[in-house]
Amino acid sequence: DTGVSQDPRHKITKRGQNVTFRCDPISEHNRLYWYRQTLGQGPEFLTYFQNEAQLEKSRLLSDRFSAERPKGSFSTLEIQRTEQGDSAMYLCASSAGVSTEAFFGQGTRLTVV
Amino acid sequence: DQQVKQNSPSLSVQEGRISILNCDYTNSMFDYFLWYKKYPAEGPTFLISISSIKDKNEDGRFTVFLNKSAKHLSLHIVPSQPGDSAVYFCAASERKGSQGNLIFGKGTKLSVKP
Repeated sequence: DTGVSQDPRHKITKRGQNVTFRCDPISEHNRLYWYRQTLGQGPEFLTYFQNEAQLEKSRLLSDRFSAERPKGSFSTLEIQRTEQGDSAMYLCASSAGVSTEAFFGQGTRLTVV
Repeated sequence: DQQVKQNSPSLSVQEGRISILNCDYTNSMFDYFLWYKKYPAEGPTFLISISSIKDKNEDGRFTVFLNKSAKHLSLHIVPSQPGDSAVYFCAASERKGSQGNLIFGKGTKLSVKP
């Protein structure tokens, strides 16, 4: 399967702990996006990379959130000092460029207890 | 302020009939529109897209119509099948001079009854 892969699929963590998610995009795609989806809402943009450069961050991305894409391949999203409000589905997507559709992974479901 | 709106949270259609899902947007700079389908516990799956230079795009049972003057687009599914039951998201982006990130509506849950 050469689609977008996310790991883990589910994560339960205690409030205050740090968590890290990984995304492996489709190999030839240079753009990688992170979105967050909560119940009853559409996916909300968090940040995106073109190759290894992080080009935009949403105001939803607080200082506790950090994303990296070393070498322009896989990406990680870290949340420090998790809060209950961070509970959501975190989606990664990749695209071949700005003019093409983005393909999503299956997401990581985070539950903060 | 929501830039992409799907005002119908749900839609129920009989198998074999047409499903019409609607979407409105407010940002006149949007120039690329997409529809995604989402099953529970999965990521959105791309269905069909349309550029602002077109008013219609068709792919099999799926057709997207764009009315730029009304800032409105719709997805038609003909004929509807039970397997089409899912949440459908409309998304828009501003490709020119922008980053291309997608702005999504809240989704419409389609139920196709046998």
